[in-house]
Amino acid sequence: NAGVTQTPKFQVLKTGQSMTLQCAQDMNHNSMYWYRQDPGMGLRLIYYSASEGTTDKGEVPNGYNVSRLNKREFSLRLESAAPSQTSVYFCASRLAGNNEQFFGPGTRLTVL
Amino acid sequence: DAKTTQPNSMESNEEEPVHLPCNHSTISGTDYIHWYRQLPSQGPEYVIHGLTSNVNNRMASLAIAEDRKSSTLILHRATLRDAAVYYCILRETGSQGNLIFGKGTKLSVKP
Repeated sequence: NAGVTQTPKFQVLKTGQSMTLQCAQDMNHNSMYWYRQDPGMGLRLIYYSASEGTTDKGEVPNGYNVSRLNKREFSLRLESAAPSQTSVYFCASRLAGNNEQFFGPGTRLTVL
Repeated sequence: DAKTTQPNSMESNEEEPVHLPCNHSTISGTDYIHWYRQLPSQGPEYVIHGLTSNVNNRMASLAIAEDRKSSTLILHRATLRDAAVYYCILRETGSQGNLIFGKGTKLSVKP
């Protein structure tokens, strides 16, 4: 099992550009999450998907959209990137009824 | 969500036990206590969780105070690979599994 994979690992954008961060898990998990982590801070939840076909806002959803493409994949889209979105983005997944979240390796995004 | 308070940083010597404290005085009866850790340049990883009773697993032990207002993560023999930021998180029973991360405790391990 690869666990939770994220692409790309690094990305540099200019202000106003758009991009999609990809996340996939091969553990047949029901719930998936997107977090961001700013320097010296803990993670903050952007969006989550409790099951295929559902998505909900987390603590910091503004400027982002998500798509739960299927059970395996959960993507995060920045329509018009801003410097304030410079951060490390982590995807995670969880099996329903289980307490443990599994995290991907992260995507380091810089917006100039 | 109830908040947790942890020291910003702690130091330990290799092969000695480490006790990482966490205060959660506003914890509710349905909140689980979770611990995650984040090694440098990696995503967080689950360490342990508990509700009322002390818990042990291959990575660590979790000691929960009788009034549940505090808990302690115990690493029995710290190794250099245990140097990480440790997060104490409360999660409500039956919630969507969402985790609210604080700043955590940065643990340094000296050889």
